[in-house]
Amino acid sequence: GAVVSQHPSWVICKSGTSVKIECRSLDFQATTMFWYRQFPKQSLMLMATSNEGSKATYEQGVEKDKFLINHASLTLSTLTVTSAHPEDSSFYICSALNDRGSTEAFFGQGTRLTVV
Amino acid sequence: GNSVTQMEGPVTLSEEAFLTINCTYTATGYPSLFWYVQYPGEGLQLLLKATKADDKGSNKGFEATYRKETTSFHLEKGSVQVSDSAVYFCALSDLALGNEKLTFGTGTRLTIIP
Repeated sequence: GAVVSQHPSWVICKSGTSVKIECRSLDFQATTMFWYRQFPKQSLMLMATSNEGSKATYEQGVEKDKFLINHASLTLSTLTVTSAHPEDSSFYICSALNDRGSTEAFFGQGTRLTVV
Repeated sequence: GNSVTQMEGPVTLSEEAFLTINCTYTATGYPSLFWYVQYPGEGLQLLLKATKADDKGSNKGFEATYRKETTSFHLEKGSVQVSDSAVYFCALSDLALGNEKLTFGTGTRLTIIP
């Protein structure tokens, strides 16, 4: 149990286009999900906290108009990278908290975005 | 603010060697401490955790003890296997402040050679 599925696992897009990444909790409900970005040989950096039914909370320095987050249901959050540029190329990872009160966060397998 | 500092890699060991990956932290409250593992091509998986001082987390032969006096949570394993090759992340969550967000260290890449 407690599986988080992230899709796609990798994507290549052209500069100026937008890319949507999905994060689904497959066997539990998650009011709260998190989006991270991981640079090569660096740690995961929290981008935003996604809350079902309300606006996401962005970390300082993260452009909310560029990284659009929609948490439309208790099992799905999406991250859309708008007008992507090569510097947006990175590994994006989501995690979800089980609404049943566990403090453990379950992670998706990540999405490798390459902007050319 | 909260931060996590862990041993920089990469670390390369022979099979059956003893492993230690150091991790220290700073936190404003009373954090829970975690070790996550990321196998090639996969997402992060929780390896073990400890929620209060002197607790020892253990799983798959790995263990780590929450040391408040030294603000450390070092990961150890007595005899590593090739299948342990992965990236290991130390992390904390400061639940006492109602903050469920995780703060990660930079990760340590471990390679075990036969």
